[in-house]
Amino acid sequence: DVVMTQTPVSLPVSLGGQASISCRSSQSLVHSNGNTYLHWYLQKPGQSPQLLIYRVSNRFSGVPDRFSGSGSGTDFTLKISRVEPEDLGDYYCLQSTHFPYTFGAGTKLELK
Amino acid sequence: QIQLVQSGPELKKPGESLKISCKASGYTFTDYAMQWVKQAPGKGLQYMGWINTQTGKPTYADDFKERFVFSLETSASTAYLQINNLKNEDTATYFCARSHTYWGQGTLVTVSS
Repeated sequence: DVVMTQTPVSLPVSLGGQASISCRSSQSLVHSNGNTYLHWYLQKPGQSPQLLIYRVSNRFSGVPDRFSGSGSGTDFTLKISRVEPEDLGDYYCLQSTHFPYTFGAGTKLELK
Repeated sequence: QIQLVQSGPELKKPGESLKISCKASGYTFTDYAMQWVKQAPGKGLQYMGWINTQTGKPTYADDFKERFVFSLETSASTAYLQINNLKNEDTATYFCARSHTYWGQGTLVTVSS
């Protein structure tokens, strides 16, 4: 199975500040069709995960442009600029290139 | 709007079975696969597998090949997750998700004697 190593585990931030979360995969996430299936989710307490970024860098409908995704191959990053209170929660990366699909262990974004 | 509405919380004893439902609305049910994800209390997300909503063919991750069954009632736009011979470690919230985009609200399953 592809192992997704997500760092950091906890990320204290100040409101208005910037946050960066990394996800590294144990093998390339480039599919045979040329696409890279790496996605980012935010899960707020007591809620289901919500899709933020799909296929590395595409913002899902309604996601503010404060969220951006980048990366390639095995190394991916989610950046959040101008952090707002509603951005706090648990962030997960997911690879859906190789079955079984696998999640990173999560990053808790919390106030400093 | 697209919605996935799951059935309510369950309290079961070890060895029992249960069936969770996930009713989809706002789109053509058979146009998208349905995924299932497990989240143990205080833990991260674990991918369980998916079901092809056109053919009904399920595909399971290794940890979920034994006692877990994905099924459909296409006429009702509903997917089901059945768990047989429940164990304490099945205590978790289970989510259905349309492909990787829209998610149900989750169903809390508690297994306790």
